[in-house]
Amino acid sequence: QSALTQPRSVSGSPGQSVTISCTGSSSDVGFYDYVSWYQHHPGKAPKLIIYSVTKRPSGVPDRFSGSKSGNTASLTISGLLPGDESDYYCCSYAGSYTWVFGGGTKLTVL
Amino acid sequence: QVQLQESGPGLVEPSQTLFLTCYYSGGSISSGSYFWSWIRQPAGEGLEWIGRIHASGRPAYNPSLKSRVIISIETSKNQFSLRLTSVTAADTAMYFCARQDATEDHFDFWGQGTLVTVSS
Repeated sequence: QSALTQPRSVSGSPGQSVTISCTGSSSDVGFYDYVSWYQHHPGKAPKLIIYSVTKRPSGVPDRFSGSKSGNTASLTISGLLPGDESDYYCCSYAGSYTWVFGGGTKLTVL
Repeated sequence: QVQLQESGPGLVEPSQTLFLTCYYSGGSISSGSYFWSWIRQPAGEGLEWIGRIHASGRPAYNPSLKSRVIISIETSKNQFSLRLTSVTAADTAMYFCARQDATEDHFDFWGQGTLVTVSS
């Protein structure tokens, strides 16, 4: 069970769009539609922003969207706001009642 | 308002046992709709799922930690706990508890985390 691969950092200007990738394998991301994404401001509780690949919890703006192709899931944030600057983590069900997270991506809003 | 709050010692000596508790408020931990999980984050690293439990039992653990982990639940106190034995410096991390949706498997509410340092 290996951690999912995310870019260490991404950046964008206010109003732009950024996409964060999350690459796993045919045993996790590629096989199950249980990919979720979390926003984490250090010192605070992580926040769920996407689940089941594409679904948004109540209260999460539609600027956040998720998708998946093959073994790679993606989180797209459009209309970047300064408050979106944070760490983002993906997570996937990996079978046999286990879950695996990504290494995290630091989003910088320039 | 759903809240989870971790508690426990911030410093554990090597080879000893780490014990943390997570108190759940804003609902009943006996709800069959959720599992109760522990997740950790070493400094500068990503998140690692440790394990989970349901109010009816049925614990599940990360295979890499399975030999050292026990997660238990006390429904009467609305809390669940993590026990990690034979700790080393590699177990130094921020430890989070989280509520996991039983239908679609995502972690919908998290605690703020508690830092545990393994050192003599």
